[in-house]
Amino acid sequence: AQSVAQPEDQVNVAEGNPLTVKCTYSVSGNPYLFWYVQYPNRGLQFLLKYITGDNLVKGSYGFEAEFNKSQTSFHLKKPSALVSDSALYFCAVKGSNDYKLSFGAGTTVTVRA
Amino acid sequence: DARVTQTPRHKVTEMGQEVTMRCQPILGHNTVFWYRQTMMQGLELLAYFRNRAPLDDSGMPKDRFSAEMPDATLATLKIQPSEPRDSAVYFCASGTGTGVYEQYFGPGTRLTVT
Repeated sequence: AQSVAQPEDQVNVAEGNPLTVKCTYSVSGNPYLFWYVQYPNRGLQFLLKYITGDNLVKGSYGFEAEFNKSQTSFHLKKPSALVSDSALYFCAVKGSNDYKLSFGAGTTVTVRA
Repeated sequence: DARVTQTPRHKVTEMGQEVTMRCQPILGHNTVFWYRQTMMQGLELLAYFRNRAPLDDSGMPKDRFSAEMPDATLATLKIQPSEPRDSAVYFCASGTGTGVYEQYFGPGTRLTVT
């Protein structure tokens, strides 16, 4: 079985400060990892994915994520947060032979001006 | 800019009525997913289609929910009869179904059953 944990329900940061949203996963075999963002009353938008290769993955809107196999983590990061980054963020994982994505419960990010 | 479209965006109905939600996947995508999002349960996978064939609908209450793909450009999710506990946001997502692919989500249908 595969699963994702997002240990923080909420993350609050000041604009201009670094933003980190944590994610740990459990999956059989090699993991395929994803981050999605959901703005109010909108669907989920794909941010980035890790398949293989470089552990640091760059995505949309200045976000990046670092894959750490030993810690089974895939934390989302942004060096300098914007107020417009305030949204709900989902981490997701699937195994290499799976079609199902398992989503975390989501982390609400609030960036204050 | 290709997008998944869903109709209606909002639906309010009375308990016992039939509800039909529609999804148009991105052209060329051959996989379609239906999800339900609630505060309590988060995102739940209801059904999965590949090349229009239903491969997994284990997440759906079988007695009242049904999902179909009449053609490659249309996926439908029906609830009959609807119940208040079905109130949620229903998302459709599509993907290319080859290799490692991300899913592209539609804007969702917000269903309220009174």
